[in-house]
Amino acid sequence: KAGVTQTPRYLIKTRGQQVTLSCSPISGHRSVSWYQQTPGQGLQFLFEYFSETQRNKGNFPGRFSGRQFSNSRSEMNVSTLELGDSALYLCASSFVAGQETQYFGPGTRLLVL
Amino acid sequence: QKEVEQNSGPLSVPEGAIASLNCTYSDRGSQSFFWYRQYSGKSPELIMSIYSNGDKEDGRFTAQLNKASQYVSLLIRDSQPSDSATYLCAGGLRSGGYQKVTFGTGTKLQVIP
Repeated sequence: KAGVTQTPRYLIKTRGQQVTLSCSPISGHRSVSWYQQTPGQGLQFLFEYFSETQRNKGNFPGRFSGRQFSNSRSEMNVSTLELGDSALYLCASSFVAGQETQYFGPGTRLLVL
Repeated sequence: QKEVEQNSGPLSVPEGAIASLNCTYSDRGSQSFFWYRQYSGKSPELIMSIYSNGDKEDGRFTAQLNKASQYVSLLIRDSQPSDSATYLCAGGLRSGGYQKVTFGTGTKLQVIP
C-alpha cells in the first residue's frame, strides 16, 4: 500500500501571501489530521477531517483552514502568512476518526520570508 | 502547564543498556496513550499504543501506564544506535464524541556505541 503523500515538499513564501498544502491519505483511510511542527512548540494539532467534515480543531487562528474531498484527500490553507508560520506541516491519516494509529506523511516544509 | 510533558533530553545511554523515556499528562480524562519515534528529518511513526494500566510489551519495547500517577513511560531494552531518535509521547482525550490527541515536545535519545 502506498503511504501518505504530501505536496509540495518545500515551499518559500513571503509575508502576506497565502498557501495551500495537499495531503493524500493511505488508500481506505478516511481520517486526515494536520499538524504544525516547530522546534520550540513541537507537534501541534491543527484539525482533523473525517468523511469530509471537520471533527476536531486545535488552537490556531482562523487563517488556518482546511477541507477534505470525497476521495479523502485533504488540503490545508494558510492565508495572510506570518513569519511565525514557518514550520514543517505534517498530515497523518488513519482508518477511523480520533487520531488512532496515525500514519504520517513526509511533511511540507514552509519558509515564510 | 502543557497537557503532555516530556524531558527534552538528550538522554544518552550506552549500546545494550535499557533506555527509559518518561511522560506525564495533566488531564485525568485522557484514555489512550501513544509513543511515536521520529528520526531526524523524518516524520513520526507509531511504535506503541497503550490504553490500560500496566505494561504492554512489543519486542524490545515496553510501554507502561499509571493512570493514578498520570504517568506513561517507554522502556527500550538492548538499546541500539539505530534507536537514536526523538520519542514523542501523546495522549488522547475524548471531547464531543471524538478523540483529540495531544503530543509532548519529545525526548531526544542518543545510544552511544
